Amino acid sequence: EPEVTQTPSHQVTQMGQEVILRCVPISNHLYFYWYRQILGQKVEFLVSFYNNEISEKSEIFDDQFSVERPDGSNFTLKIRSTKLEDSAMYFCASRLAVGTSGPTGELFFGEGSRLTVL
Amino acid sequence: DQQVKQNSPSLSVQEGRISILNCDYTNSMFDYFLWYKKYPAEGPTFLISISSIKDKNEDGRFTVFLNKSAKHLSLHIVPSQPGDSAVYFCAAAAGGTSYGKLTFGQGTILTVHP
Repeated sequence: EPEVTQTPSHQVTQMGQEVILRCVPISNHLYFYWYRQILGQKVEFLVSFYNNEISEKSEIFDDQFSVERPDGSNFTLKIRSTKLEDSAMYFCASRLAVGTSGPTGELFFGEGSRLTVL
Repeated sequence: DQQVKQNSPSLSVQEGRISILNCDYTNSMFDYFLWYKKYPAEGPTFLISISSIKDKNEDGRFTVFLNKSAKHLSLHIVPSQPGDSAVYFCAAAAGGTSYGKLTFGQGTILTVHP
C-alpha cells in the first residue's frame, strides 16, 4: 500500500538552530500538508501546499516556517530558528485531489518526525 | 480553540461489545467530518468520513452518525476487537480547497479488553 514517508523520525536540536523535516508524499497525490502535535495537545494544521505554492496556512505558520517541494517528490518543512515551543511531532500528509462538490480521497499521514528543541 | 471537542478522554469496552465515541463541534461552516485512529509512534490513519448531506455512513464494523442540528457526531464500532485499542480522533473540515485543513478533537483513548 502506498504511504507517506518522513525523515528523520527524531531530531534533537539546540534552540536557534535551523531544522528541515522531509517528507515523500504518495506519488500521484496533488495536495500536501504539514500538521503538528505538541505533547498532550491536539493535532494542529500548519500549512497546505498545492501547485507549488501555499494554499492555506494557520496562525502558527509564521515567518520562521517555510515549505518547499524542491524536486517534485520531496516536500520539506523548514524552521529557520527553532524555539523551545517548536518541540512537537510533525506530521506530513497528502491527498489525491479535492473535488469541487466535495473532498475526494482521504488525507494520508506519515508516521511523523519528532522534534526536540533544547 | 475548541471548535471540535471530544469530551471523553478514554473509553473502556469489552471485546465483542459496541464502542461509541462522541464528538461535538461548534463551527457551522464544517461540512465534512472524519474519524482517524492513531497508534503510538504512528501517524493518524483514516477510518471513515461523512459529508454533511448525510446523517449516516457505514463501512464494515464502523458507522459514523451525524446530527447536524446538535452539531454532534459519533463513531460506532461493532463488534469491538482488542486490535481496535488506539486513540481515536474526530476531525472536521469546512469545504472547498480547505478540505485538507482538518480541525481535530483532543482524541479518545479506546481500550478493548479481551
